[in-house]
Parts: sequence; C-alpha cells; structure tokens
Amino acid sequence: GQNIDQPTEMTATEGAIVQINCTYQTSGFNGLFWYQQHAGEAPTFLSYNVLDGLEEKGRFSSFLSRSKGYSYLLLKELQMKDSASYLCAVYTGRRALTFGSGTRLQVQP
Amino acid sequence: DVKVTQSSRYLVKRTGEKVFLECVQDMDHENMFWYRQDPGLGLRLIYFSYDVKMKEKGDIPEGYSVSREKKERFSLILESASTNQTSMYLCASRPGGTGGQETQYFGPGTRLLVL
Repeated sequence: GQNIDQPTEMTATEGAIVQINCTYQTSGFNGLFWYQQHAGEAPTFLSYNVLDGLEEKGRFSSFLSRSKGYSYLLLKELQMKDSASYLCAVYTGRRALTFGSGTRLQVQP
Repeated sequence: DVKVTQSSRYLVKRTGEKVFLECVQDMDHENMFWYRQDPGLGLRLIYFSYDVKMKEKGDIPEGYSVSREKKERFSLILESASTNQTSMYLCASRPGGTGGQETQYFGPGTRLLVL
C-alpha cells in the first residue's frame, strides 16, 4: 500500500523559517513533488526531488532522503501570502501521483 | 502556458441525478486524471487515462465512470449521484511517458454539492 504522512497544521511568524516534513512508504519511488494550494484554488507545482539532497529555488528549498523515506519543504523569509496548504506527493511510476493529506500553514504577523 | 479548464466551478445536484464533469487541457498531454479532495483525506485518485479511449481505475473508482473520446477532453461521470460524493473534484494532466520529472497540471476544481 501507499502511505504518505504530513503534519495537519502548522503556524509560523512572518519573516521566519518553517520546515514541513513528509514521510512516505510506497511501492516504488520515482520522485517526490511539493505543491502549494491556496484555499479554493488548484495545487501549483513547487519542487521535484528524485535524488538525495537539497534543491533550492528562491525562498523555497526541498530535501529528500530516499533511504529514510523522508522529505521536507523549507520556506524562508515567510510572507503572509505563503499561508496555504502544502501537499507532498510521490510518483511511484504508476502514471499518477499519490498525495499526502496536506499541511495547512498559517503565517501570522 | 499550460491550461487545464473544468466546466463548472460550483455545481449543486440532487441525489440520483447523473452528473457530468468536463475537463479540457490545451497542451496535448497524453495523461489525464480525476481526483477528489476532502478535508483530512487529501487528494485521492478516482480514474486516469493515458490515451484516447484508454482508462484505468484509481484508488476510489466506485460510483464513477470516465470517458476520453478526444485527447484534450476527459469527462468524469457520476451515474447516480449520492450525498457522499459531495466533494471538490480536481482534474489534472501530464505529458506522456513514465519518467517522473514531469509535474501534473491541475484545473481550478469543481465543488460539487449533492443534496
């Protein structure tokens, strides 16, 4: 079976750094995606990791450890507009992504 | 710019009605998907299609069917809507091949309420 775990909710302060963790146990692994989803909107692509290590893209970074079945999304210099849900998804090679239930991040002033 | 559109943003139907949700993508993608999204459960795959007239069941296909007569269009059908199908429905598309690096592009979603 497929199991992807993320914290349900997190709160952080504007200007701070927050790390959102994702652990996965899947039958097959061909990459891990992070998406951002604002309330009432479609998910939008943030990052993709297939090899171990850190991928940096502006204020957002994503890390992967395949041996530990673990990833995190790091958001720096938090802004109010970063308040959203963050979805972790694994591509198992079955053509579709398998998603975690998402982490709702609330950024406070 | 990839565009995935869905026929309705909001839909209200009655129990037992037949419901059609339409999705169109303009990037010539081979793969198309239907998910439903519920609080605490995340996105769950209902059906996907990797080519015209081809379809595969996802994790929760019961009560749904799909149609892909043209490459750009993927329809989700609720044969007899029930209240437990009240949800947000998201369509997505993705280029062909099984390589993992291509992301899925999502439509804006259809929020369906079944009374």
